[in-house]
Amino acid sequence: AQSVTQLDSQVPVFEEAPVELRCNYSSSVSVYLFWYVQYPNQGLQLLLKYLSGSTLVKGINGFEAEFNKSQTSFHLRKPSVHISDTAEYFCAVSDLGGSTLGRLYFGRGTQLTVWP
Amino acid sequence: GAVVSQHPSWVICKSGTSVKIECRSLDFQATTMFWYRQFPKQSLMLMATSNEGSKATYEQGVEKDKFLINHASLTLSTLTVTSAHPEDSSFYICSAREYQPEGWGQSTEAFFGQGTRLTVV
Repeated sequence: AQSVTQLDSQVPVFEEAPVELRCNYSSSVSVYLFWYVQYPNQGLQLLLKYLSGSTLVKGINGFEAEFNKSQTSFHLRKPSVHISDTAEYFCAVSDLGGSTLGRLYFGRGTQLTVWP
Repeated sequence: GAVVSQHPSWVICKSGTSVKIECRSLDFQATTMFWYRQFPKQSLMLMATSNEGSKATYEQGVEKDKFLINHASLTLSTLTVTSAHPEDSSFYICSAREYQPEGWGQSTEAFFGQGTRLTVV
């Protein structure tokens, strides 16, 4: 079974500062990794995903994440945040295939709050 | 990207009644849809996996007689909360994976609906 741990439930940061949202996972098999953003009372929007290849993945809105297999981590980073980045961020893992194809296991989420 | 539409966006119902939530893939065919439940300030919890033309697969602890899922076509899945009670109040989100005959490699993203806020009074 897979599990995801987001180490910080809340991350406050000032505008234009860098930010890192941490995510660790555990799995007995290879997985795909995802970061999603959720604005209040809305569904989830995909920020980026790691499937294979380069361990540094670039996504939308200036976000990037680095897959570290040895540390089983997939931390999300942005060099300079904007107030509009204030939202809940979810890290998720997915099985590679089989009958559970597409099932996502989510972390508890990290609330990013950007202050002016 | 592909669009998944959920309806209604919010619903208030009386305790004991049933509520149906629709999840539609607007511009693609979805062989598989997933239903999640999200409590305030918490993560999404997978309730069930819905495959077109077959019975849904429920996660452990989810009452299949209470949360009826129907996936009648490649673009529509419905979740019916039967005999709703206040503890069923939650945010329900569906996601859909696009049908790809070549397999997972070409379709790695599940697209999410905007969610349905259910309040049972």
